[in-house]
Amino acid sequence: QVQLQESGPGLVKPSQTLSLICTVSGGSISSGDYYWSWIRQPPGKGLEWIGYIYYTGSTYYNPSLRSRLTISMDTSMNQFSLQLSSVTAADTAVYYCARIAIVGVVKKFDSWGQGTLVTVSS
Amino acid sequence: DIQMTQSPSSLSASVGDRVTITCRASQSISSYLNWYQQKPGKAPKLLIYATSTLQSGVPSRFSGGGSGTDFTLTISSLQPEDFATYYCQQSYDTFSFGPGTKVDIK
Repeated sequence: QVQLQESGPGLVKPSQTLSLICTVSGGSISSGDYYWSWIRQPPGKGLEWIGYIYYTGSTYYNPSLRSRLTISMDTSMNQFSLQLSSVTAADTAVYYCARIAIVGVVKKFDSWGQGTLVTVSS
Repeated sequence: DIQMTQSPSSLSASVGDRVTITCRASQSISSYLNWYQQKPGKAPKLLIYATSTLQSGVPSRFSGGGSGTDFTLTISSLQPEDFATYYCQQSYDTFSFGPGTKVDIK
């Protein structure tokens, strides 16, 4: 059974870059059956999809974050990562990594990491 | 962008109640609608995908329906472990989530 685990700093200063890594175990990120995605949830609020990466390296980002966002992958480490630049307090959230299963034309977030809280504060 | 709304935003119910949550998309999304359950401090859990298909291991008291722009999640007999927040999510055009419906104990 696949497991995902987020890691990275829990505190980032305003205007700096937020960087997180998701380590995948029990499955390969090189599989063409999945996208690998980031989602965030500000405290007490709902879920916001951030973006995803496919095993080919192709990415798709939420337009609202595109100018500040980079998602990349390291297949040798079975990891994918998130970088969000020029952060503000509005970027404070629990960040989740998740697997998107592709079933025909259907896509579903079927496995999630436990989430990691990132606070933007000086 | 496709906007998702849910109603109600919260509801109070008792164990054994039948509960229905509604999700509406700002444009037609065919049947590309998923439902998730989230408990406090935990990651969301996939319940239903493609409008009405139960994810493996999910109890049969959960069911989904609808098409186009209007969708429902029904819990036929609410159990103590079902008190949680429920989110709908469309996958017709990238991804977006509804704002959530919190189900708590009456």
